[in-house]
Amino acid sequence: EVQLVESGGGLIQPGGSLRLSCAASGFTVSSNYMSWVRQAPGKGLEWVSVIYSGGGTYHADSVKGRFTISRDNAKNTLYLQMNSLRAEDTAVYYCATGGITADYWGQGTLVTVSS
Amino acid sequence: QSVLTQPPSASGTPGQRVTISCSGSSSNIEINTVNWYQHLPGTAPKLLISDNNRRPSGVPDRFSGSKSGTSASLAISGLQSEDEADYYCAAWDDSLNGPVFGGGTKLTVL
Repeated sequence: EVQLVESGGGLIQPGGSLRLSCAASGFTVSSNYMSWVRQAPGKGLEWVSVIYSGGGTYHADSVKGRFTISRDNAKNTLYLQMNSLRAEDTAVYYCATGGITADYWGQGTLVTVSS
Repeated sequence: QSVLTQPPSASGTPGQRVTISCSGSSSNIEINTVNWYQHLPGTAPKLLISDNNRRPSGVPDRFSGSKSGTSASLAISGLQSEDEADYYCAAWDDSLNGPVFGGGTKLTVL
C-alpha cells in the first residue's frame, strides 16, 4: 500500500528556514516523479516543486532560488528545503507521487510564516 | 492569475449534470493532456481524471473529461451531495516548463 507522510511544518519567522520531509512506503521514491504542492489559506492549489526520476528538478517562479526539492534514496524520503521564508509561503504543503499526474497524496503539513 | 482559467463556482441539484470548464493556451492544454483533481477541505486532493478522459480505478463513471483545442471540461452526471468539493484542472505548460493548476471551481450541491 502506498503511503506518504509529511512532517516538518510549523511556525517560523519571516526570513527563516524549514525543511519538510515526506516519508514514503509501498513504492520507490527514486523511480518516480515526486511533487510538492501547496494551498495557502483561502487560495487554490499551487504546484511548488517537482523532482524527476532522473534527478532533474522544477521549481515554480514564486519559490525559485529559495526552495530546493531533493530526495534520499536510502531513506525513501522526499524533502523540501525552504529558505528565506515569506508570509506568502504560509500554506498546507502536500507531497505527492508523480508530476502532472499525481496519483497518491500525503495528508499535508502546515507551514505558518509569521512574526 | 492562474495560467489555466476556471469559473470560481458552479452548482447543481441532486441528479443533475454539471460541467466545469478549463481554458488554457497553445503552450499547455492544446499540446498536453489535462488532469482533474477533486479536493475536499481538510483532506488530500484526489486524482479524478487523467490524460483528458481516463478515470483511475475507483472513480465512478459519473465523472468524465474531455478536451478540445485549448479548452477542457469536467462533467459530473447524477450529481450527489458528496460531490460538493473544489475541482482543479491541471496541465503541463511548455512555456513555464512545469505543471500548472487552474484556479479551482467550488461546486455546490443545492
